[in-house]
Amino acid sequence: DAGVTQSPTHLIKTRGQQVTLRCSPKSGHDTVSWYQQALGQGPQFIFQYYEEEERQRGNFPDRFSGHQFPNYSSELNVNALLLGDSALYLCASSLEGPAGVSYNEQFFGPGTRLTVL
Amino acid sequence: KQEVTQIPAALSVPEGENLVLNCSFTDSAIYNLQWFRQDPGKGLTSLLLIQSSQREQTSGRLNASLDKSSGRSTLYIAASQPGDSATYLCAVYTGGFKTIFGAGTRLFVKA
Repeated sequence: DAGVTQSPTHLIKTRGQQVTLRCSPKSGHDTVSWYQQALGQGPQFIFQYYEEEERQRGNFPDRFSGHQFPNYSSELNVNALLLGDSALYLCASSLEGPAGVSYNEQFFGPGTRLTVL
Repeated sequence: KQEVTQIPAALSVPEGENLVLNCSFTDSAIYNLQWFRQDPGKGLTSLLLIQSSQREQTSGRLNASLDKSSGRSTLYIAASQPGDSATYLCAVYTGGFKTIFGAGTRLFVKA
């Protein structure tokens, strides 16, 4: 089991550019969540995807968008990059629980370090 | 609005000491609470998951407790080792499919 994988590992962009980050969930998982972690802080929830739809979003602007594919993999897109978008971006996967509520454990990937210059 | 606080922010202990990390949350309506370990610049490793109906979970030298009514969880690490040095994060999973993290406790275990 490869666990959660993310690509690329590192990325350097300039202000105003656009970036796409990718995530493959743990085998058997159907739910993907994305987080932003600034240096010295805890991860901040960006959004969660289930059944190819965004079903919850944290306090992030529309510049942050995503997609989930039929194989449950996911992409995070960030447009019009700002210096403040520099962070570690983490993807987590889990398995949807009964009655539409996930009681289950989240597993995280190694993250993508984004630097905006 | 759910808020998660971890105390202390940093902790330094000698090897072999037993220690407790604290996590508090403001809204008791949670589905589960998960403890993670994070090494510098790396992703998160899941340590323990406690469902809302449970009081505690154990794995090896780790024991996590949950008291929903008081909005508190503790992570107990027995016989600490230098390899335990890392940042420990707690996260609560709330209704509405959101996970809220604390800022973490940075632990340093001295050999």
